[in-house]
Amino acid sequence: DAGVIQSPRHEVTEMGQEVTLRCKPISGHDYLFWYRQTMMRGLELLIYFNNNVPIDDSGMPEDRFSAKMPNASFSTLKIQPSEPRDSAVYFCASSFRGIGAKNIQYFGAGTRLSVL
Amino acid sequence: AQRVTQPEKLLSVFKGAPVELKCNYSYSGSPELFWYVQYSRQRLQLLLRHISRESIKGFTADLNKGETSFHLKKPFAQEEDSAMYYCALSGLSGCREKLTFGTGTRLTIIP
Repeated sequence: DAGVIQSPRHEVTEMGQEVTLRCKPISGHDYLFWYRQTMMRGLELLIYFNNNVPIDDSGMPEDRFSAKMPNASFSTLKIQPSEPRDSAVYFCASSFRGIGAKNIQYFGAGTRLSVL
Repeated sequence: AQRVTQPEKLLSVFKGAPVELKCNYSYSGSPELFWYVQYSRQRLQLLLRHISRESIKGFTADLNKGETSFHLKKPFAQEEDSAMYYCALSGLSGCREKLTFGTGTRLTIIP
């Protein structure tokens, strides 16, 4: 398995534009997480899904942020409109909960977003 | 509420010297604690879990419920230990899958 796959790896956009980040979790994993990483705040959980259903979106900063998981192998995080303060590295992670599961999250390589 | 505190944003240690990365947590129930590490140009990955009580790459961490701490230790630092380290917590009851991360400590090993 190639692990969690995120695209794009880098995104540079102008303020006001829509940004869509994509994630493909590890096959068979039933949890998917979106995180934002900044120097000041570290790693913050934005939202997570279980079996494609959003469970907790309390970390989503504003209505400008939205996330979907239309099927078990794909999720998107959208920012519309984007602002310079959204500049950060966004990580996707997935995990599996089952008999013998060790509650380990597997992270993608991240998307570095710069909003000018 | 769950909270994880890593008091040091930056830590520099000479090669061969002992390393201790501090982590304190706040949680009313039974916690599960983790250390995740991000090496340069690599993905964030699990280093160790307190439940496993194992030593990985020479690192150990003991859960101290009295002091609500989970400090990461290594007796002799190596240059390849330079990385970003995150302490994380989940509740063993309720939503076990949700992790709360600290703000991270960047460890630099000086040759």
